[in-house]
Amino acid sequence: DTAVSQTPKYLVTQMGNDKSIKCEQNLGHDTMYWYKQDSKKFLKIMFSYNNKELIINETVPNRFSPKSPDKAHLNLHINSLELGDSAVYFCASSRGGLREAFFGQGTRLTVV
Amino acid sequence: QKEVEQNSGPLSVPEGAIASLNCTYSDRGSQSFFWYRQYSGKSPELIMFIYSNGDKEDGRFTAQLNKASQYVSLLIRDSQPSDSATYLCAVNESGGSNYKLTFGKGTLLTVNP
Repeated sequence: DTAVSQTPKYLVTQMGNDKSIKCEQNLGHDTMYWYKQDSKKFLKIMFSYNNKELIINETVPNRFSPKSPDKAHLNLHINSLELGDSAVYFCASSRGGLREAFFGQGTRLTVV
Repeated sequence: QKEVEQNSGPLSVPEGAIASLNCTYSDRGSQSFFWYRQYSGKSPELIMFIYSNGDKEDGRFTAQLNKASQYVSLLIRDSQPSDSATYLCAVNESGGSNYKLTFGKGTLLTVNP
């Protein structure tokens, strides 16, 4: 009964490849997020969606394209992967923008 | 650039002591404040949230908020070795950006048996 689930948990790929990370929440929340946590453990927001609508796009390269087919899903597609994209990517959801966010287990992306 | 500042630590306390974690934020209009705990290799886990000035207690945890000073803290009483983790302060920005939870860089807490 995982509340926020991401797949895959680990992703190792070569530079230049395209990859996707999927996220689903069963909490009935209307707001979903993608966060990136770098090697120094700093958690930085990338995107937030409310009711499938993009609200925040935090100066992320165009190679990153989020898609929200419905309120329960927020996927992240990354084109032309670079070494600097290696990080842990967390999906999260909340009820509205001012409420607490719950995180998925993270996807550790390693670009070689 | 709106910021959330925390001492990176490490903060080391003996078992049974009170651990005090502090956080300041730059956006005076911020409305919601959160403390998350993150064990190494795991996802952030919500510990406390606070919206109003004053103290909020939940078991061994107390969150304190002072909006005038733009300061939020977390006290952990009777610290246990299992409390050893990185503690992340998070703040919702105000206005049109309130779908943005901004995190501090975290404070590493070590509780020594």
